[in-house]
Amino acid sequence: DILMTQSPSYLSASVGDRVTIPCRASQFISNFLNWYQQKPGKAPRLLIYGASNLQRGVPSRFSGNGSGTDFTLTITSLQPEDFATYYCQQSYAAPLFTFGGGTKVEI
Amino acid sequence: DVQLVESGGGLVKPGGSLRLSCAASGFTFSSETMTWLRQAPGKGLEWISSITSDSIYIYYADSVKGRFTISRDDAKNSLFLQMNGLTAEDTAVYFCAREVTLYGSGTYFNAYAHWGPGSLVTVSS
Repeated sequence: DILMTQSPSYLSASVGDRVTIPCRASQFISNFLNWYQQKPGKAPRLLIYGASNLQRGVPSRFSGNGSGTDFTLTITSLQPEDFATYYCQQSYAAPLFTFGGGTKVEI
Repeated sequence: DVQLVESGGGLVKPGGSLRLSCAASGFTFSSETMTWLRQAPGKGLEWISSITSDSIYIYYADSVKGRFTISRDDAKNSLFLQMNGLTAEDTAVYFCAREVTLYGSGTYFNAYAHWGPGSLVTVSS
């Protein structure tokens, strides 16, 4: 199984900050990497697919980068509604699309 | 609009059984791969089972293989998860999700674009 690692688990930030969230795969996954946002008590929401493609309806302050094993999700100018937990997920090894442990962005 | 709504969760004793349902609307259910995922309290997301259209291919995570059974009723636009031999480690919110294929960067990618709100399963004596 492909192991996805997200570190740190927690990230402190303020409104207006530029935030970068890293994700690492245990083996090569090309650009088959998705990012999700989850707020407490809610289902995850797809933000980015294919490492850098913005899902419809997602604000342009979200962007993704990376290929191979190292990836990042960047939020430019953090908004109050962006405080949430962010998960990366590999879609390279179907059907077991493993997730990272998540990074919680908090004040 | 795409809608997924899970039901059937609740409190069950260790060793017991439960059947989850997911009602789908707003898309051609019979054409889509559907998936169950779960999230234990305070933990991350875990893929547990997927079923392709026409139930041609069915997959399970090792953690549930032999105990859980995924199925679908395309006539009723419904997805099911029969859970047997439940243990405390199965306590989680269970989500159904629609797997979609999206085009970008010159190729196609799979992702879970639509999720239900989740159904809580608690295994406790």
